[in-house]
Amino acid sequence: SQQGEEDPQALSIQEGENATMNCSYKTSINNLQWYRQNSGRGLVHLILIRSNEREKHSGRLRVTLDTSKKSSSLLITASRAADTASYFCAPAGEGGSNYKLTFGKGTLLTVNP
Amino acid sequence: KAGVTQTPRYLIKTRGQQVTLSCSPISGHRSVSWYQQTPGQGLQFLFEYFSETQRNKGNFPGRFSGRQFSNSRSEMNVSTLELGDSALYLCASSLGQGALGFSPLHFGNGTRLTVT
Repeated sequence: SQQGEEDPQALSIQEGENATMNCSYKTSINNLQWYRQNSGRGLVHLILIRSNEREKHSGRLRVTLDTSKKSSSLLITASRAADTASYFCAPAGEGGSNYKLTFGKGTLLTVNP
Repeated sequence: KAGVTQTPRYLIKTRGQQVTLSCSPISGHRSVSWYQQTPGQGLQFLFEYFSETQRNKGNFPGRFSGRQFSNSRSEMNVSTLELGDSALYLCASSLGQGALGFSPLHFGNGTRLTVT
């Protein structure tokens, strides 16, 4: 299945520091998406990077994609306590046969004030 | 634009009962996906509907079923509830699969089901 695996499983940093989390996947993709989930709530879409893109920015978020290594990274700069959440990547496979996004266990980010 | 609405927000049921959860997608979204989230298994894909057709189904027993109506609203049903069905059930809507891959999902805040 086209599931991403996030690494590390947990990350604890101080407010103002940068946070980097990684995602690996196994098969070819059309795009890769990152989501955030605050405890007990639904996931929120953060950013989508297409397979022909190498880097994308959105506010304090920077996503990179290396299709040769089948990996992606999400960098959150100048983190805030409000960034405390679980982060998930979702590789979107090629073709129309999947009709789904699957998620790994996520990275639990804790930003300490 | 209103977001994805899931009802009810919390539900407590007894083993053996059945339950129906409801999801209203974002206007214009014809794809609705359902997920089960538990601490042990994480986010598990249940099924995806597009224009009233189930296009994909996860690895869940037949007790889990769903449907989508012509207005894209969706329901999922779990019959003969088991303790292990206690979970957060999330619904997400999207524009579905396009030429550039699956479109971003917009999630509701889920229904927290507790089976006692």
